[in-house]
Amino acid sequence: DQQVKQNSPSLSVQEGRISILNCDYTNSMFDYFLWYKKYPAEGPTFLISISSIKDKNEDGRFTVFLNKSAKHLSLHIVPSQPGDSAVYFCAGGSNDYKLSFGAGTTVTVRA
Amino acid sequence: NAGVTQTPKFRVLKTGQSMTLLCAQDMNHEYMYWYRQDPGMGLRLIHYSVGEGTTAKGEVPDGYNVSRLKKQNFLLGLESAAPSQTSVYFCASNPGLGPSNQPQHFGDGTRLSIL
Repeated sequence: DQQVKQNSPSLSVQEGRISILNCDYTNSMFDYFLWYKKYPAEGPTFLISISSIKDKNEDGRFTVFLNKSAKHLSLHIVPSQPGDSAVYFCAGGSNDYKLSFGAGTTVTVRA
Repeated sequence: NAGVTQTPKFRVLKTGQSMTLLCAQDMNHEYMYWYRQDPGMGLRLIHYSVGEGTTAKGEVPDGYNVSRLKKQNFLLGLESAAPSQTSVYFCASNPGLGPSNQPQHFGDGTRLSIL
C-alpha cells in the first residue's frame, strides 16, 4: 500500500513560470520529507527536504511547503528553467533511515 | 568523487538464469539499500543493510537475496530470474549516523531485462 502518492504523472510548464508539484501521504509517523530529481539514465539526486515540525523550507528557486493536517506537501520551482525538466520524486521518512517514495512526476519545461 | 557505483549498467538475462548486481560506495556509509523502479510505482525497497554483515527485508524482497560482507559493498542476487524482475535497480547509501533525515545517495542504476 503506497504511503506516498504523487497523483500527477506529468506537468508541462513554460520557461520562467512556476512549477508546482504535489505529494500526499498517509503515514502520520513520517517526520521528514525529501524531494529528489532524476534525469534519464541517472540516479535520483537530492533536491530539498523539510522536517515535519516546519511548514516551509526554501533553497534558491526551490521551496517546499508542508501541510501536516492535510498530509500534503508541495514543491514550488520559481522560475522554471529548461534544466528543471526531469522526474521528481517525493519521499517520506522516519527515524529508521528508510524512505517511502511516490511514483514521481515528470516535469517538462517548454521554451 | 565516485560516490555510489553500480555494476553492470545494463544486462539481459533469460528466464531462470542467475546474476549478481554489485553496489560499491566510497563514503564510509553504514546504511545501504537496493530499490527497484517500475513505471507508475516509484522506487520500492527490496532489501537494505544497517552495517557490515547485516541485511534486512524491505517492501518487495521475494526472489532476491543480498549480502554485505564488506562495508563498502552491497550485492543483490537473483537466483532464478523471472520476467517480473525486469526493472531498473538502484542502490543507495546513507551515513546512518546522526540525524535520520540525511538524504540517501544513489547510484546511476542497472537496467535489467529478463526474457
